[in-house]
Amino acid sequence: QVQLVQSGAEVKKPGASVKVSCKASGYTFTTYDINWVRQATGQGLEWMGWMSPNSDNTGYAQKFQGRVTMTRNTSTGTAFMELRSLRSDDTAVYFCARENSGSSGYYFDYWGQGTLVTVSS
Amino acid sequence: SSELTQPPSVSVSPGQTARITCSADSLPKQYTHWYQHKPGQAPLLVIYSDSERPSGIPERFSGSIAGTTVTLTISGVQAEDEADYYCQSADSSGTFPEFGGGTKLTVL
Repeated sequence: QVQLVQSGAEVKKPGASVKVSCKASGYTFTTYDINWVRQATGQGLEWMGWMSPNSDNTGYAQKFQGRVTMTRNTSTGTAFMELRSLRSDDTAVYFCARENSGSSGYYFDYWGQGTLVTVSS
Repeated sequence: SSELTQPPSVSVSPGQTARITCSADSLPKQYTHWYQHKPGQAPLLVIYSDSERPSGIPERFSGSIAGTTVTLTISGVQAEDEADYYCQSADSSGTFPEFGGGTKLTVL
């Protein structure tokens, strides 16, 4: 069965960087794009960007441009999201999600379990 | 701010029908999808492409569209349906995905 398993919780200081991993299994990793979505406490879901495991192409929400990098390791089927220059308002649960796209638009059919990133001095 | 507008909350009694709307600010509207999100869990896709139900999702979940408003309907609401629900579509450029602000469904 399809699974996305994310790395564990992180605590970082303001100004630091965090790198969250998302290991895919149960399907061919290079067939589907991986997106990253976050949810700050008490807030809604916020789309951050996407990465194509097949081509290494990426697209980022304007809000995160210059601070986020999404990469992958095709040999291990793992996607990564690195966020730099962390601020307290980056404290959130970060999710990876598999994108299913086609004539029906694009949506997220499988999600990782989430990774809590806490930014605190 | 989101271009997809949802009511902040909806409350229904068990067995009743819950309707959660998602309105787009502008045309053309892309396909809309719905996610159920419970605390401490990953979001779950419950409706895609306005009205399609993924396998494993109960039949009481349905989706419909009228103009630029899509509606998630949960018939015969059960206590386990209490969650936040988010619509998702493409942004006004059609390039990137965007979420609505979310609706908290409370089962009284």
